[in-house]
Amino acid sequence: DAGVIQSPRHEVTEMGQEVTLRCKPISGHDYLFWYRQTMMRGLELLIYFNNNVPIDDSGMPEDRFSAKMPNASFSTLKIQPSEPRDSAVYFCASRTSGSSYNEQFFGPGTRLTVL
Amino acid sequence: QQQVKQSPQSLIVQKGGISIINCAYENTAFDYFPWYQQFPGKGPALLIAIRPDVSEKKEGRFTISFNKSAKQFSLHIMDSQPGDSATYFCAASTRGSTLGRLYFGRGTQLTVWP
Repeated sequence: DAGVIQSPRHEVTEMGQEVTLRCKPISGHDYLFWYRQTMMRGLELLIYFNNNVPIDDSGMPEDRFSAKMPNASFSTLKIQPSEPRDSAVYFCASRTSGSSYNEQFFGPGTRLTVL
Repeated sequence: QQQVKQSPQSLIVQKGGISIINCAYENTAFDYFPWYQQFPGKGPALLIAIRPDVSEKKEGRFTISFNKSAKQFSLHIMDSQPGDSATYFCAASTRGSTLGRLYFGRGTQLTVWP
């Protein structure tokens, strides 16, 4: 299995621009998570989906952030407009409810820099 | 509010020494406690996990100790190696796949000097 795939791996943009991060979960996994990692705040859960439906978006910082999961194999996290404080590494993770353990499989992350 | 509190933030250990990272939680509904390991430039990956029906779980040089009454659990790395240098996250969740999420600690950056 290819694992969780994220793109792009690195993104540099200017303040005010729209940024779209993409994720392809492991085939057969029915949960998908978006995290943000910074030195100051550690690993924060932004939103997670079950069977393509958003379950908890309480971690989404503000209305500038939105996430979608149009089908079981694709999700996007969009920031519009982007701000320098959004600079972080964004991880996507997936898991299956069929496992007895809540193991999440993380992608390699997208390093976002907003100038 | 941090559901899982982790300490220390950073840890420096000499090769061959024991690394110990501690975590504490309040929610007694938690019943699954994994540790994730993250190398620079990579996503976190599951290292070892424990359920509260046992007090200790060992996998190679890695051991989780669990104290249910104190609501604490810790990761011990025996004979620490430079290759163990990474960031370690403890986490907790409730049984039942329907809830899904993990609550992560803030992470501990471990450096093992040769």
